[in-house]
Amino acid sequence: AQKVTQAQTEISVVEKEDVTLDCVYETRDTTYYLFWYKQPPSGELVFLIRRNSFDEQNEISGRYSWNFQKSTSSFNFTITASQVVDSAVYFCALSEAGSGGSNYKLTFGKGTLLTVNP
Amino acid sequence: NAGVTQTPKFQVLKTGQSMTLQCAQDMNHEYMSWYRQDPGMGLRLIHYSVGAGITDQGEVPNGYNVSRSTTEDFPLRLLSAAPSQTSVYFCASSYAPRGWGGYTFGSGTRLTVV
Repeated sequence: AQKVTQAQTEISVVEKEDVTLDCVYETRDTTYYLFWYKQPPSGELVFLIRRNSFDEQNEISGRYSWNFQKSTSSFNFTITASQVVDSAVYFCALSEAGSGGSNYKLTFGKGTLLTVNP
Repeated sequence: NAGVTQTPKFQVLKTGQSMTLQCAQDMNHEYMSWYRQDPGMGLRLIHYSVGAGITDQGEVPNGYNVSRSTTEDFPLRLLSAAPSQTSVYFCASSYAPRGWGGYTFGSGTRLTVV
């Protein structure tokens, strides 16, 4: 069964600090996809990144970076020089690519509430 | 291009009432699904569809019905609302089954059952 754990329920930082959001996943499939979504106070889900299990390259997009390590089943997300607008709930999610019904399902972690204070 | 459109955005129901949450997408996506979001629980899959005429249950299907008569629409029906169904509901669509196509989410419906 697939599972995503975001151990940090809430994180509070001061603007310009760097912050890392942790994500640990469990899956039996060798092919899977990992996602990060942002949910700002307005409530919509904003797609940030998708990574497949065969691509362990780290990715950087502006102030955002992602560290994917299959050896530790982790897909951590770092915001550099955080800003107040980064305040949101961040979800990590997993989609298995194996056969059967599970490949139509996104399994979400419970989310991490990030508060960036001015 | 509207993406995934959910209506209504807010709804208050009395226990026992029925209603339908609407979801429409204009991207010709085959795969559509409904999730509910509860505090501290993340999002959980209610039902999903892999194409017109084909639906199946997710993790928390009890109390909900779905149908998929067209590619564009995937309504979620509550036949007899209960307070436990108070939640935020998200509809999502994807053009591929295995996640590589990504998922597009609607803006959500906040439902309160009193």
